Amino acid sequence: LAKTTQPISMDSYEGQEVNITCSHNNIATNDYITWYQQFPSQGPRFIIQGYKTKVTNEVASLFIPADRKSSTLSLPRVSLSDTAVYYCLVGLYNQGGKLIFGQGTELSVKP
Amino acid sequence: SQTIHQWPATLVQPVGSPLSLECTVEGTSNPNLYWYRQAAGRGLQLLFYSVGIGQISSEVPQNLSASRPQDRQFILSSKKLLLSDSGFYLCAWSQGPTTDTQYFGPGTRLTVL
Repeated sequence: LAKTTQPISMDSYEGQEVNITCSHNNIATNDYITWYQQFPSQGPRFIIQGYKTKVTNEVASLFIPADRKSSTLSLPRVSLSDTAVYYCLVGLYNQGGKLIFGQGTELSVKP
Repeated sequence: SQTIHQWPATLVQPVGSPLSLECTVEGTSNPNLYWYRQAAGRGLQLLFYSVGIGQISSEVPQNLSASRPQDRQFILSSKKLLLSDSGFYLCAWSQGPTTDTQYFGPGTRLTVL
């Protein structure tokens, strides 16, 4: 299973764009990259998923370079409510749901 | 739309007591179901997953067990709780292959004293 590496914490201010990069050097051909958001005492919430290039939804954008050894979650114009832990996951196809959650990145948005 | 429920929301139990946490999913059929535990700090640990009624796969050997008596019901149990069982227990579901997007419930905060 591909291991991911993310910064432990990041600080930002309201209105700024935040980019969180995740390294997954041994990503396999069939792996998808998925990002989750978790608020304290709540279950993680799916944000975005992608395989290559760029994916955008109403919440975030996901940038994946051609070698797929890293990915960047981009949160446009963050607000205080975006303060949370963000997890990057790389999942192998048909591996019995063995998504490995790392330590995640604790994003703190300040006024 | 699909919803996932967990109860109780919080639980305080003495060491050596039994445990039963319940998870139910609405609005879908034949989901894949998962139990995770999150200890103090971050990082979720997959405990069990199920692809169908009566089908349970264990990821971490321990004094916990899981059962799936109905299609959309997943139960986490223990005969005798340990202090180390304290944590935040999360149930999740996914539809389709087991690496499809997982959707998490609100969680149960378990404190073993």
